[in-house]
Amino acid sequence: DSGVTQTPKHLITATGQRVTLRCSPRSGDLSVYWYQQSLDQGLQFLIQYYNGEERAKGNILERFSAQQFPDLHSELNLSSLELGDSALYFCASSPSSGRAETQYFGPGTRLLVL
Amino acid sequence: AQTVTQSQPEMSVQEAETVTLSCTYDTSESDYYLFWYKQPPSRQMILVIRQEAYKQQNATENRFSVNFQKAAKSFSLKISDSQLGDAAMYFCAHIWGAQKLVFGQGTRLTINP
Repeated sequence: DSGVTQTPKHLITATGQRVTLRCSPRSGDLSVYWYQQSLDQGLQFLIQYYNGEERAKGNILERFSAQQFPDLHSELNLSSLELGDSALYFCASSPSSGRAETQYFGPGTRLLVL
Repeated sequence: AQTVTQSQPEMSVQEAETVTLSCTYDTSESDYYLFWYKQPPSRQMILVIRQEAYKQQNATENRFSVNFQKAAKSFSLKISDSQLGDAAMYFCAHIWGAQKLVFGQGTRLTINP
């Protein structure tokens, strides 16, 4: 158990809908990262927040957005869902922000868009 | 572009034997970090080992060790005394920029009893 929690574990929804994925980092960690794992794209970095502020952005679609709250939990919002958004979404956390930090992953949220 | 390549989509090994998983990467940076993550059937991403590029000594964690060849940009993972619980997808990753992890496509490791 990495100490990172993600809810829900599974999510099934329809095209065009909007969902919210939630992540709680390890105790004391200030950085939260979101990754998407799909069959065709592999594991891809989406976005990072550090202490409430966006720190880095990857291949995140405009339909997707995220935020980190004062209690440091983070939410990833996915809207206007398409079939291709079906994937495993991971949250990871680290104590600070920097390349020396090891990122610890949560168990993931499996999203299926029908 | 920063890339990570795992040329072996699948590997298999007999229980108790040793197996080596290959990884090469491309970077223009001199100070960086490399990781191996394990993803068992539960899909959880578990850190196996990490290597700092400025360290000449290869990292080891119990039965897991790496062969880090900085000039060749190679970072292989050796698993000794393979156990059934080692069966998983293994991902090599390089941290790019300040925060972004770039992953290889993964190697599926099967352990034969």
